Amino acid sequence: AQSVTQLGSHVSVSEGALVLLRCNYSSSVPPYLFWYVQYPNQGLQLLLKYTSAATLVKGINGFEAEFKKSETSFHLTKPSAHMSDAAEYFCAVKPQSTGNQFYFGTGTSLTVIP
Amino acid sequence: EAQVTQNPRYLITVTGKKLTVTCSQNMNHEYMSWYRQDPGLGLRQIYYSMNVEVTDKGDVPEGYKVSRKEKRNFPLILESPSPNQTSLYFCASRRPGANQPQHFGDGTRLSIL
Repeated sequence: AQSVTQLGSHVSVSEGALVLLRCNYSSSVPPYLFWYVQYPNQGLQLLLKYTSAATLVKGINGFEAEFKKSETSFHLTKPSAHMSDAAEYFCAVKPQSTGNQFYFGTGTSLTVIP
Repeated sequence: EAQVTQNPRYLITVTGKKLTVTCSQNMNHEYMSWYRQDPGLGLRQIYYSMNVEVTDKGDVPEGYKVSRKEKRNFPLILESPSPNQTSLYFCASRRPGANQPQHFGDGTRLSIL
């Protein structure tokens, strides 16, 4: 089975600082990759997805992620953190095989310090 | 408005009392899934469905049942709930296609005493 590793269960940044949330996957064949955000008491919302068209993917709210095959990584970044970015972030992987199986990382809770 | 609706949002019940969590989507999506979210474990897939009457096990199916009699509905059934099934549950739906993202409901917080 796939595994998804998110390094750092809690990340704190100052408002205006760079946000970097890490995600690594385990398969030798690049899967489809997604980042989701979860605000308190809500479901998950899609931030962005990698679909092999371009290695740098732009998402909503100023977030972007870069796919690096050699590092099996898909790290999420935002140049300048805003207070409203405080939330839980999940990296998710869908293997290239058909079907509907998805694998999620354990999540990273982002705190933004004013 | 496109949405995935789960009911109930919160439920406290006792061990062994059968319960059903309903999930309905209005986007005509073929694929649907159930997940449980536990602290430190992220989301784990319980069951998924790729069409009416087509369901398959995810990573943690033990103690759960599902059915898909209609395209829009995908209920999660706990025949004999136990305390280790206390969790936050999410239903999700999506279109076919490996790169299609999932749309999530707002979650059901289940406590089993």
